[in-house]
Amino acid sequence: DVKVTQSSRYLVKRTGEKVFLECVQDMDHENMFWYRQDPGLGLRLIYFSYDVKMKEKGDIPEGYSVSREKKERFSLILESASTNQTSMYLCASSSRTSGSMHEQFFGPGTRLTVL
Amino acid sequence: QQQVKQSPQSLIVQKGGISIINCAYENTAFDYFPWYQQFPGKGPALLIAIRPDVSEKKEGRFTISFNKSAKQFSLHIMDSQPGDSATYFCAASRRGAQKLVFGQGTRLTINP
Repeated sequence: DVKVTQSSRYLVKRTGEKVFLECVQDMDHENMFWYRQDPGLGLRLIYFSYDVKMKEKGDIPEGYSVSREKKERFSLILESASTNQTSMYLCASSSRTSGSMHEQFFGPGTRLTVL
Repeated sequence: QQQVKQSPQSLIVQKGGISIINCAYENTAFDYFPWYQQFPGKGPALLIAIRPDVSEKKEGRFTISFNKSAKQFSLHIMDSQPGDSATYFCAASRRGAQKLVFGQGTRLTINP
């Protein structure tokens, strides 16, 4: 059973703080993703990684960076948190093998509030 | 620019009724169309998916209808149950692409 875990369910930070969101998957998936979920806007891709140390910008990368030093772990970094980054953050992973139809497996999310 | 447009944003259906959620896409290179279901406090999970070589796919009470010429696809939930109350996302991707483009989501409430 695929499991994607996120380090925190709820997080409260101050404006200007550096924030780290961690994601770990246990299925040896090549691909990992970070999304933010906002009402009425759906899931928007922040960054995507298709291999260790590889990353690709998504639709809304501004104000975020990522790190993938190990295959199972993908970190999202907010260098200087701002109130407009208050949101639900979802991590996902998927296999790159052709038969998988790229099903993405999601973690439970981290609700981040920036005060 | 929203490549996949989903409607309605929220939907209330009586128990036993049919729930219908619609999506429209712009990119004709899309060739994979999944629907994800998200319960409160959980991440989304794949519910059902279709490729454009068929016009309909059914899994239990859930059916995807696909109209390639209109660039639209929809999710139908037959005999809707309170346990179906969740947020539903349509999505699309291109052949060979690893990324999905998601719609805005629909919050579905089934009244008992």
